[in-house]
Amino acid sequence: NAGVMQNPRHLVRRRGQEARLRCSPMKGHSHVYWYRQLPEEGLKFMVYLQKENIIDESGMPKERFSAEFPKEGPSILRIQQVVRGDSAAYFCASSPGGGGRSYEQYFGPGTRLTVT
Amino acid sequence: AQSVTQLDSHVSVSEGTPVLLRCNYSSSYSPSLFWYVQHPNKGLQLLLKYTSAATLVKGINGFEAEFKKSETSFHLTKPSAHMSDAAEYFCVVSGSSGGYNKLIFGAGTRLAVHP
Repeated sequence: NAGVMQNPRHLVRRRGQEARLRCSPMKGHSHVYWYRQLPEEGLKFMVYLQKENIIDESGMPKERFSAEFPKEGPSILRIQQVVRGDSAAYFCASSPGGGGRSYEQYFGPGTRLTVT
Repeated sequence: AQSVTQLDSHVSVSEGTPVLLRCNYSSSYSPSLFWYVQHPNKGLQLLLKYTSAATLVKGINGFEAEFKKSETSFHLTKPSAHMSDAAEYFCVVSGSSGGYNKLIFGAGTRLAVHP
């Protein structure tokens, strides 16, 4: 059973460009979480999605950031008009369920975004 | 609101000596608590989790943690450090009362293991 897949692993963008980060959850998982890790910091929750629904986006910046998890295909985290402060590692996690606080989240290897 | 405080940003031990990584939490309800490990430029791996069962939780690679409600602590220990234990460790609390795991991460403790 393949783990959580994220691509690309490394992404370099110039200021003002768009960044698209992809996450394929583990097989059978329909719940996806995105986290951001700034240098020398812990991970910060961004958004929680189920298939075709955004459940909690309280950690998403109000502008330029969006996320989706379509019925078919991977979850996408999209950052428009990137700025240097967006440089970070972005981690995706998936779980088999969302109900119940004991569900383990399985993390992908992350995408390291560098904005030049 | 839920929060986690990792009391040491860096811990350095010699190989073969005990490891103690300290974590205090704050939660308005009975929490689920986790320890994750992150090796350089890698993803996160779950070491262990507490979900209101036994207060002493055993994890992978010889790690264990004890949930102490009276002290609001969830310290991670290992009797004998190995060189491969050098990594970043995150204490995590489940931050949602809405029935799903919105994880709240501590700032991390970097563990160095010396020969």
